[in-house]
Amino acid sequence: EPEVTQTPSHQVTQMGQEVILRCVPISNHLYFYWYRQILGQKVEFLVSFYNNEISEKSEIFDDQFSVERPDGSNFTLKIRSTKLEDSAMYFCASSTGTGSNQPQHFGDGTRLSIL
Amino acid sequence: DAKTTQPPSMDCAEGRAANLPCNHSTISGNEYVYWYRQIHSQGPQYIIHGLKNNETNEMASLIITEDRKSSTLILPHATLRDTAVYYCIVRASNYQLIWGAGTKLIIKP
Repeated sequence: EPEVTQTPSHQVTQMGQEVILRCVPISNHLYFYWYRQILGQKVEFLVSFYNNEISEKSEIFDDQFSVERPDGSNFTLKIRSTKLEDSAMYFCASSTGTGSNQPQHFGDGTRLSIL
Repeated sequence: DAKTTQPPSMDCAEGRAANLPCNHSTISGNEYVYWYRQIHSQGPQYIIHGLKNNETNEMASLIITEDRKSSTLILPHATLRDTAVYYCIVRASNYQLIWGAGTKLIIKP
């Protein structure tokens, strides 16, 4: 069964450094998402992306965050200058469409630890 | 905020059916009910979704009440590997899923 893959599984970065998290969505999916989950807390939506544009973003997704689809397969989340509070699990998801009847499928996440 | 209410935890004996309830009394007519689960240290896994009718797939069954104000996810023969946090989500927009705290289901041998 096709799946969303994320790399790396664990990223350790010094505060203030830039970090790029990578995702390969399911191949025929057109809509891409990033969520995060701080340890012990709920999953939170960050951003959705379609046709090389951000479709929707949350308040969390400020100027320090950016997303990109650099080629036909990868979808990346960049955090420009990391802060301690960015430490979390980051999940990528993809779907065929955005209708209420289209499930999002998730990867296993990247654990980001900011020191 | 999430539009659903779930019990924080439940236990179920291995081999028995696990019935996980969810209340969504403010659901709108075009909103689907989705169920995901998150096994420790893994990403959320899609289980099933439905609008009005009951749904069944290889993982579970979803029973939605006629007034659509509540639903039940049924795992017919729970195994130890079904131990996870189960999330009931009402699809509130075209893009984002809004997550609650879910139900921690523990399957006991």
